[in-house]
Amino acid sequence: AQKITQTQPGMFVQEKEAVTLDCTYDTSDQSYGLFWYKQPSSGEMIFLIYQGSYDEQNATEGRYSLNFQKARKSANLVISASQLGDSAMYFCAMRDDDYKLSFGAGTTVTVRA
Amino acid sequence: DTAVSQTPKYLVTQMGNDKSIKCEQNLGHDTMYWYKQDSKKFLKIMFSYNNKELIINETVPNRFSPKSPDKAHLNLHINSLELGDSAVYFCASSQVGTGQQETQYFGPGTRLLVL
Repeated sequence: AQKITQTQPGMFVQEKEAVTLDCTYDTSDQSYGLFWYKQPSSGEMIFLIYQGSYDEQNATEGRYSLNFQKARKSANLVISASQLGDSAMYFCAMRDDDYKLSFGAGTTVTVRA
Repeated sequence: DTAVSQTPKYLVTQMGNDKSIKCEQNLGHDTMYWYKQDSKKFLKIMFSYNNKELIINETVPNRFSPKSPDKAHLNLHINSLELGDSAVYFCASSQVGTGQQETQYFGPGTRLLVL
């Protein structure tokens, strides 16, 4: 069964605007971690932000913030003030009790000048 | 000061050959992983080692054999390569625990093409 669902295969955003990438997850574990990674066209996987299941506050890292809604099992990534260098594929991932990461299918973001 | 490194970066080989990919991390982490990213960019865990002990072994053909000589290294050996093995293979490492310390950091990937 799909643990992580990213429903947006691709998105366009204007430079300097904000964009929200959707992620929903499925788990019966009480303790889990949610992650977002960025994969630019060069191919490396870059860690962006982490949210723990027990964290009451939404995580923020610079221009990245995670909108964590536990009851809805969603962990959307918000990128504010988009830059051309934000054009990439973005993956949502979850670590559950067996310590492996399950990834979503990814969302490709293209920032337009 | 590379955190997680992999060699080689590119690997082009013929069907039926045997090849290895090496991974090293200098982050002091106790857990290392191998992931496979297919042509549709889907990422899936293959193996994980914690302090040299295999802890995750997903449904992977037994032609794939991981080996961890110490907790800073995790190698992947592939026997009798098939066309379907063509993919990008990522090594990652983390510190098992809770909170952000469990974040997995990825190597640059090895692009394997089987002809």
